[in-house]
Amino acid sequence: KAGVTQTPRYLIKTRGQQVTLSCSPISGHRSVSWYQQTPGQGLQFLFEYFSETQRNKGNFPGRFSGRQFSNSRSEMNVSTLELGDSALYLCASSLRIISGANVLTFGAGSRLTVL
Amino acid sequence: SQQGEEDPQALSIQEGENATMNCSYKTSINNLQWYRQNSGRGLVHLILIRSNEREKHSGRLRVTLDTSKKSSSLLITASRAADTASYFCATDGDNDMRFGAGTRLTVKP
Repeated sequence: KAGVTQTPRYLIKTRGQQVTLSCSPISGHRSVSWYQQTPGQGLQFLFEYFSETQRNKGNFPGRFSGRQFSNSRSEMNVSTLELGDSALYLCASSLRIISGANVLTFGAGSRLTVL
Repeated sequence: SQQGEEDPQALSIQEGENATMNCSYKTSINNLQWYRQNSGRGLVHLILIRSNEREKHSGRLRVTLDTSKKSSSLLITASRAADTASYFCATDGDNDMRFGAGTRLTVKP
């Protein structure tokens, strides 16, 4: 079956612009989580969506937002970009079975560079 | 914020040697997982150990979990150059999954 697909893979933006990243989960997976990875901070949890509802949110400013569609595809948006937003943004999907283990399948990531 | 902390941050060994990485965490968990990341790519799930388990094996991987000390270790036996990657522990609690900063493993041929 197809894996988790993230688009675009690479993008360059300038400060003040906004960006939208897309994630298509594995078929049947209803949970999509987003992480920001930077060399200094490791993987930081952004948010998780399950059945079109935000289930959890990490400690990021309101400039970071996301949504999930009825087909489980998810998008995240970062507005008013700052230099510090340069990072690898990783999306992961899972079945999120209640009372079961939540094993994540990651996409290859979207590498954002802010100039 | 991160949940787990891996130790060491970097590890360099020769092919054939064993590699041990440690992870400490702060809150209660349902399970703990280890993932591998090859340079600049997505993470790949390696192994999961539940909170009521103490040790688990999968091929050349051995994971231990000590919930009283809130720590886990990952042992890779007979390492290969292809094992060169970053390894992350992830804690699965009641809310979301949190990752540590990772251990960068280099296996020299």
